[in-house]
Parts: sequence; structure tokens; C-alpha cells
Amino acid sequence: GNSVTQMEGPVTLSEEAFLTINCTYTATGYPSLFWYVQYPGEGLQLLLKATKADDKGSNKGFEATYRKETTSFHLEKGSVQVSDSAVYFCALRQNTGGFKTIFGAGTRLFVKA
Amino acid sequence: KAGVTQTPRYLIKTRGQQVTLSCSPISGHRSVSWYQQTPGQGLQFLFEYFSETQRNKGNFPGRFSGRQFSNSRSEMNVSTLELGDSALYLCASSLGGDTGELFFGEGSRLTVL
Repeated sequence: GNSVTQMEGPVTLSEEAFLTINCTYTATGYPSLFWYVQYPGEGLQLLLKATKADDKGSNKGFEATYRKETTSFHLEKGSVQVSDSAVYFCALRQNTGGFKTIFGAGTRLFVKA
Repeated sequence: KAGVTQTPRYLIKTRGQQVTLSCSPISGHRSVSWYQQTPGQGLQFLFEYFSETQRNKGNFPGRFSGRQFSNSRSEMNVSTLELGDSALYLCASSLGGDTGELFFGEGSRLTVL
């Protein structure tokens, strides 16, 4: 069945460092791909999405490109801030006899000043 | 626009009891999904409803059930509670479809003693 695998955390970076959080997926067909973020004390919210191969989603300086050939959707940001400290979840959504969004295990990011 | 509302926010039950959790989606959203979030297992899909019909179900025992009403509000029920059911239960609403972004509530935190 469909699955999402993302790198284990926690990831600790200094402010202004480059961030990559790896995400790969297993799915038949062409799912839509998402990154959700959970800031401390807040609910899950969408960060960005891509709905077809080679699409690039972007928001708040974060980017991810839908790579069908490598079944990946890695999250990147050129210069992280302390306020980016959160848990990041990669997810896919597909109609497999009914719609379902499944999530990776989440990667906790700590950014130090 | 009001967000997704979940009630109750916190509850404590004992083993063997049952619990009902409620979710009011964003106005105009006809799809509601439920997830169980635990530190060890991440976000596990429970079920997704659209216009009162269950469209998909996760790999949970029959003790977990749900329903959706004509006004799109949804409830989930867990019977014969076990210690392992302690978790944060998240509800998300969306417009549905394969590119549908999920909008999450703050969750209902269930503790089973």
C-alpha cells in the first residue's frame, strides 16, 4: 500500500543554516504531495503542496519539488530562523478505493540562535 | 471564517469505558478525516467521510467507529477503551478530492487510565 518515509529527527541547526528534510513515498499512480507543519502549541497546518510531477511547491521560503523518478518530495529552505522550529510532516493523498491522506512520522527541527 | 472545532479538548476515561468525540468542520467543507496521533506511531489514519459516506478506513479495530451527519459534523466513537488508546485524536476537514488540503482542529486529548 501507499506509504511515506521521512528522515528521523530531531534535526538541530543554527540560524541561517540550510535545511533539507528528506521525504520519499511509495504509491501507485500519481498522488498529490504535501508538507504540513506543527509549531509548538499549535495545530497542524499546510506548508506547501504539489499535485503533479515536476511541480514545485513553495511557501515562507520553503520549497519542495515533486520528483516522480525518485519518488521524493524533499523539503528545503536556504536560511532557517528560530521561528522555523517545529515538527514537519510529509504526506501524500490519493484515491485508492476512497480518498486518504497518509503522513510520514514527522521530523522535529530545532533552530538555535 | 471559523476553523475546525473539536470537543471535548481533554478527557480522562478508564479501561472498558467508551468515548465519543465531536468535530465541526469549516463551513462549506463536506469531507472530514480523523487521525490518531501518538509519539511512537505518528499520525495514523482512522477514516474519512464525505457527504455522510465513509470513503476510506484505516487499519484500526472495529472498536473505532465514526459517522458524519447531514450538516457535515462528524463524531467518532471508541468502545471498550484500552490503555493504548491514549492519544491525541485529530479531526481535519477539506473540500475533498485528490488535491484537497486538510485543515486540522486542535485535537481531543484522550487519557485512558
